[in-house]
Amino acid sequence: SAVISQKPSRDICQRGTSLTIQCQVDSQVTMMFWYRQQPGQSLTLIATANQGSEATYESGFVIDKFPISRPNLTFSTLTVSNMSPEDSSIYLCSVDLGVGFTEAFFGQGTRLTVV
Amino acid sequence: AQSVTQLDSQVPVFEEAPVELRCNYSSSVSVYLFWYVQYPNQGLQLLLKYLSGSTLVESINGFEAEFNKSQTSFHLRKPSVHISDTAEYFCAVKGGTSYGKLTFGQGTILTVHP
Repeated sequence: SAVISQKPSRDICQRGTSLTIQCQVDSQVTMMFWYRQQPGQSLTLIATANQGSEATYESGFVIDKFPISRPNLTFSTLTVSNMSPEDSSIYLCSVDLGVGFTEAFFGQGTRLTVV
Repeated sequence: AQSVTQLDSQVPVFEEAPVELRCNYSSSVSVYLFWYVQYPNQGLQLLLKYLSGSTLVESINGFEAEFNKSQTSFHLRKPSVHISDTAEYFCAVKGGTSYGKLTFGQGTILTVHP
């Protein structure tokens, strides 16, 4: 399994500002994923972050709004830029451990409220 | 591409009653199927998974799910629920490769009343 730590666990931010969420994994992983869970809704994949390459964004998500860094095999950040109240969500980091593992592992999430 | 439909957004039940949470999926390739649970103010935890083999899979806390290929379903059941089972349950699928993103259903909120 994997232990995933996300920081911050929650934050309240002013509209127009940006927040960077950190995701630290206790083992090296190739693929990391960032999901968004809007209030009362399911999880939606924002992007896939592979070390050494640009993140791959899902339809409806763009790099200017959600820039992602992946400097090494154990760490990633997601920035929510120029925030509006519609960005209020839980953001979750997830990892796939690859061959021999089939399920994804999730961090505890970052609960973001934009006021 | 895959899609997942959870047919019930909320399921209220009384303690010790049986429960079934329904999940249907669609996919053009073979998939792995999962149920995740999210307790209030917590992250997602894997409840159980179907990869291959026996179509009935069980969790350590009494839940079971049955993969039905002809009906493309993966319903979650428990014969007798407890108050502590109150949570949101997500059905998810992943394409049949070692790496890949998860596609989630809309979630079912299970509320167990005393």
